[in-house]
Amino acid sequence: EVHLVESGGGLVKPGGSLRLSCVASGFKFSDWNMNWVRQAPGQGLEWVASADTGTSMYYAESVKGRFSVSRDNAKNSLYLEMYNVRAEDTAIYYCARGWYDDSRGHFFDSWGQGAHVTVSS
Amino acid sequence: DIQMTQSPSTLSASVGDRVTITCRASQSISGWLAWYQQKPGKVPKVLIYRASNLESGVPSRFSGRGSGTEFTLTIGGLQPDDFGTYYCQQYHSYPYSFGQGTKLEIK
Repeated sequence: EVHLVESGGGLVKPGGSLRLSCVASGFKFSDWNMNWVRQAPGQGLEWVASADTGTSMYYAESVKGRFSVSRDNAKNSLYLEMYNVRAEDTAIYYCARGWYDDSRGHFFDSWGQGAHVTVSS
Repeated sequence: DIQMTQSPSTLSASVGDRVTITCRASQSISGWLAWYQQKPGKVPKVLIYRASNLESGVPSRFSGRGSGTEFTLTIGGLQPDDFGTYYCQQYHSYPYSFGQGTKLEIK
């Protein structure tokens, strides 16, 4: 069974930094695209970043230059380094596995329970 | 970047009703679209991928159609368990994007 567990959330001041982690189990992590998707309080879903199986990383415009996604296949782990955070980064951050559909793109077939991040002074 | 727009934003329907949610893309995404259901306090769950393919374990009352820029999710024979918020997501190209959501309320 696929299992994704996020950690590292919490309260951070505007302009501060935070590192989220996601530990995966139940599948061969290195073979899968992995993503961060966030949801602000009472709002919809927003894709944040993807870490492909190679070295390619992709970001939403709203976080480009401030967030960095990485993965450690030896540790079955996905990370999101958040720098210079803003109030609008307040959200639940979900780790999600990307199913590579017909070699085109990814939809998200498994999700973690999420890590809560609050940006406030 | 591709923008996804859903309608309606909220929908109230009765058990047994047939309901349809529409999702429009700002440019053609062929059929690279997924639909998700999210219940309050829960994580999203994929229902449909590639516009019309039912994810394993999803009841057959859910169906998807469309290609290019216009897509629909239909629930035929609404059940009490179907309340929640529904999102479409394009995966034609990065940056991936979601619609703003359609909240389905059961009368």
